[in-house]
Amino acid sequence: GAGVSQSPSNKVTEKGKDVELRCDPISGHTALYWYRQRLGQGLEFLIYFQGNSAPDKSGLPSDRFSAERTGESVSTLTIQRTQQEDSAVYLCASSLHIRSNRGIDQPQHFGDGTRLSIL
Amino acid sequence: AQKITQTQPGMFVQEKEAVTLDCTYDTSDPSYGLFWYKQPSSGEMIFLIYQGSYDQQNATEGRYSLNFQKARKSANLVISASQLGDSAMYFCAMMNYGGSQGNLIFGKGTKLSVKP
Repeated sequence: GAGVSQSPSNKVTEKGKDVELRCDPISGHTALYWYRQRLGQGLEFLIYFQGNSAPDKSGLPSDRFSAERTGESVSTLTIQRTQQEDSAVYLCASSLHIRSNRGIDQPQHFGDGTRLSIL
Repeated sequence: AQKITQTQPGMFVQEKEAVTLDCTYDTSDPSYGLFWYKQPSSGEMIFLIYQGSYDQQNATEGRYSLNFQKARKSANLVISASQLGDSAMYFCAMMNYGGSQGNLIFGKGTKLSVKP
């Protein structure tokens, strides 16, 4: 079956422009996550969705960042008035659900990311 | 504070030998999960292995095993019989189940290089 799909794979844009990044999760996965990975760094959490609600937006770096999700499918991450420090790989992941009675979580399956470069 | 620490920025191992990648974590939540991911140079994140905080036995998945020492708050990854294709970045991550957060907290990673 198809994995997590992200588009575009690469995006180069000028400072000050808005960008929209898209994520198609694995079919049936109710949880969806956005992360940012700067060059040579680990992953930095941005936001997650359970269904189409976002219980945790604590990782969004500023009000220039927003995200939406339609039902339990596609999500878009929008960055307005991009800055050079926004340059990074933006990774999307999805999983079946957050918790079970064992506390176990299904692993998050990642897309290949969108490499965003702000000139 | 919830934190993952990977103290080895880079590791070298000879092909066919075993290697241990260190991971320590800090959390006040009694219920949590620990994950290891592999990130090759191509950039994708590949799930390797999972350990739940209440699991009694160490997790194993093929050549991967997780040395879980709860009292020491460590979750080291052991790769047996290293292969050239194991060369990659390896990230340890944690998810806490007590709060509303659903995100993984990642360490900074360890770059593993397998020598022929």
